[in-house]
Amino acid sequence: AQTVTQSQPEMSVQEAETVTLSCTYDTSENNYYLFWYKQPPSRQMILVIRQEAYKQQNATENRFSVNFQKAAKSFSLKISDSQLGDTAMYFCAFLPQRESGGGADGLTFGKGTHLIIQP
Amino acid sequence: DGGITQSPKYLFRKEGQNVTLSCEQNLNHDAMYWYRQDPGQGLRLIYYSQIVNDFQKGDIAEGYSVSREKKESFPLTVTSAQKNPTAFYLCASSTVQRSYEQYFGPGTRLTVT
Repeated sequence: AQTVTQSQPEMSVQEAETVTLSCTYDTSENNYYLFWYKQPPSRQMILVIRQEAYKQQNATENRFSVNFQKAAKSFSLKISDSQLGDTAMYFCAFLPQRESGGGADGLTFGKGTHLIIQP
Repeated sequence: DGGITQSPKYLFRKEGQNVTLSCEQNLNHDAMYWYRQDPGQGLRLIYYSQIVNDFQKGDIAEGYSVSREKKESFPLTVTSAQKNPTAFYLCASSTVQRSYEQYFGPGTRLTVT
């Protein structure tokens, strides 16, 4: 079984600042995916970014980037030039990577970080 | 438009009653999932299904039941045995090969009093 830990229940920054959300995980799997999901007040889950563990290069999506440290089992999310619309709950999630034909799995989520962007 | 629908958005029941939450998808996905969200708890996996007429328990299956009679539908029944049924329930789907691309529905808020 795997666990995902988000140690920051809430964070608040000013608009246009850069903010980093922390996530650590524990697993015995060698191949897996890591995700950051955003959940705005509408409660719709929105995928922000995905990282494949076998890739050494950190994933980036516009203003969002990750710092993936596999040995340390750390997966932080950096949001640059933060905007009011970034205010949301952010969840870190884990998914084991199966061999082709190995079936599907459910995601394991952390408890979330409530990010507030102040005007 | 392709997507996942969950209805209703809000559901109210009296304690001791079973209640069934609907989840439908028209994405032609084989795999479907049910997650529960509580304040401060993140999302936790209840059940998932990779194919019609087959499903597996997730981390918190006790007090819940599911069926998968059609590819498009994966209803979740919250039974009276579930001790704390009030929560936000999210359904998701994916292909089996690409379970790293799970599409989420809008969720159902269940309140049991």
